[in-house]
Amino acid sequence: QSALTQPASVSGSPGQSITISCTGTNSDVGGYNYVSWYQQHPGKAPKLIIYEVNNRPSGVSYRFSGSKSGNTASLTISGLQAEDEADYFCSSYTSSSLTVFGGGTKVTVL
Amino acid sequence: QVQLQESGPGLVKPSQTLSLTCGVSGGFVSSGGYFWSWIRQHPGQGLEWIGYMHYSGRTSYNPSLRSRVTMSVDASKNQFSLILNSVTAADTAVYYCARGSGRYGSYFDCWGQGTLVTVSS
Repeated sequence: QSALTQPASVSGSPGQSITISCTGTNSDVGGYNYVSWYQQHPGKAPKLIIYEVNNRPSGVSYRFSGSKSGNTASLTISGLQAEDEADYFCSSYTSSSLTVFGGGTKVTVL
Repeated sequence: QVQLQESGPGLVKPSQTLSLTCGVSGGFVSSGGYFWSWIRQHPGQGLEWIGYMHYSGRTSYNPSLRSRVTMSVDASKNQFSLILNSVTAADTAVYYCARGSGRYGSYFDCWGQGTLVTVSS
């Protein structure tokens, strides 16, 4: 089971919007609407910010949104803030009844 | 609100067995619909799904670890556990317990703080 593909890093200025991609295959991202996204600050546990492609858990900022097209899922952060600087991971359910994560993307707020 | 807390030795010798427990508070491991999961993160790297155990007894493990992993749930103690046999330095990582939710436990909405396990003689 191969990891999902994410860019190593993405950066943006405060107030801008950025998008992180997460590319898989027909057997994971493209085959199911079970993509989720996690935010991880240094030394902390990951935090769920998007589940099932485009759903936000209670308490997560509206500035985080998710989408999917074919085998690629995307996380958009709008109105970028300093506190958004963190690592972001995607994950997907797979046809083998497993869960696979992406390699992670470091977001830098310039 | 459910909280999870990992416990176990921080140092394990090569070839020995890693054993971790995750205590659950604010909820019950016997609650239906959840997949009690383990995820690890090698130093400075990404997340690796290890597997889950559902209260029903159903399990699913990462194929790369399947031959060495056993998970269990203890409702009487409201906790779940991970056993990883024959460890090597490559198993050095921060280990997280998490609650899997959704139809297939496909997303993790509650995480422990993580515990660093170092494999070294």
